[in-house]
Amino acid sequence: QKEVEQDPGPLSVPEGAIVSLNCTYSNSAFQYFMWYRQYSRKGPELLMYTYSSGNKEDGRFTAQVDKSSKYISLFIRDSQPSDSATYLCAAGAYKLSFGAGTTVTVRA
Amino acid sequence: SQTIHQWPATLVQPVGSPLSLECTVEGTSNPNLYWYRQAAGRGLQLLFYSVGIGQISSEVPQNLSASRPQDRQFILSSKKLLLSDSGFYLCASYGTAYGYTFGSGTRLTVV
Repeated sequence: QKEVEQDPGPLSVPEGAIVSLNCTYSNSAFQYFMWYRQYSRKGPELLMYTYSSGNKEDGRFTAQVDKSSKYISLFIRDSQPSDSATYLCAAGAYKLSFGAGTTVTVRA
Repeated sequence: SQTIHQWPATLVQPVGSPLSLECTVEGTSNPNLYWYRQAAGRGLQLLFYSVGIGQISSEVPQNLSASRPQDRQFILSSKKLLLSDSGFYLCASYGTAYGYTFGSGTRLTVV
C-alpha cells in the first residue's frame, strides 16, 4: 500500500469553477502536509504547507487536513486557465511521501 | 529565502555510461537534502536523503548512489546507466524555517 494515495484524475473544469483535490495517507506519524503545483517539464513548487489538522487559506487556495481520517484536500476557488497543472499532495515527517498527482485543466 | 540549483536541465546518456547530477543549496545551512525521481505520469519516488555531510540513506535498491561532500552539496551518481534510469530527477531541501523546496529538475533520457 502506498503511503499517500491521490485521486488520479485527470480533471477538467470550466473557468471560474471550484477545483477539489483529495488525498489519503496511511501513516499516523505524518506531521507535515503539503500541496505542490507542477507545470510541464518543471520542478514542483510549494502551494500550501500545513502542520496540523484544520484549514489554511491563501488567496484562492484552501488546504484542509483531517488527521483523524487521514484525509488531505485542496480547493481552488474561481479557477483560472493558469491553474492548469499537475497537483501533488505530500505528507510526511523528516521525509515526504507523494501522491501520484492529479492533472487539472481549466477551460477558458 | 533558500534556493536550490540543479544541473543540467536535460541530459541524454547512452546505456552503460556514468552519471553525475549535482545539486547545491543557497540561503540555508545544514539542510536535509533529498533526491527524488519522477517517472512519466507518476508521482515522486524518494531515492536518497541526507541529514548531514557524509550521511546518506537509501530508500530503494537501485543502480544509483548519492554523496554529500559538503553541507549544501548533494550528488547523484551511477557507474553504468540502465534504460530504466530514465526519468525526471529532483533535488529537494528541507529546513524548519521554510519546509520543503525543490530544484528545477534534470530530465534524464538513457538511450
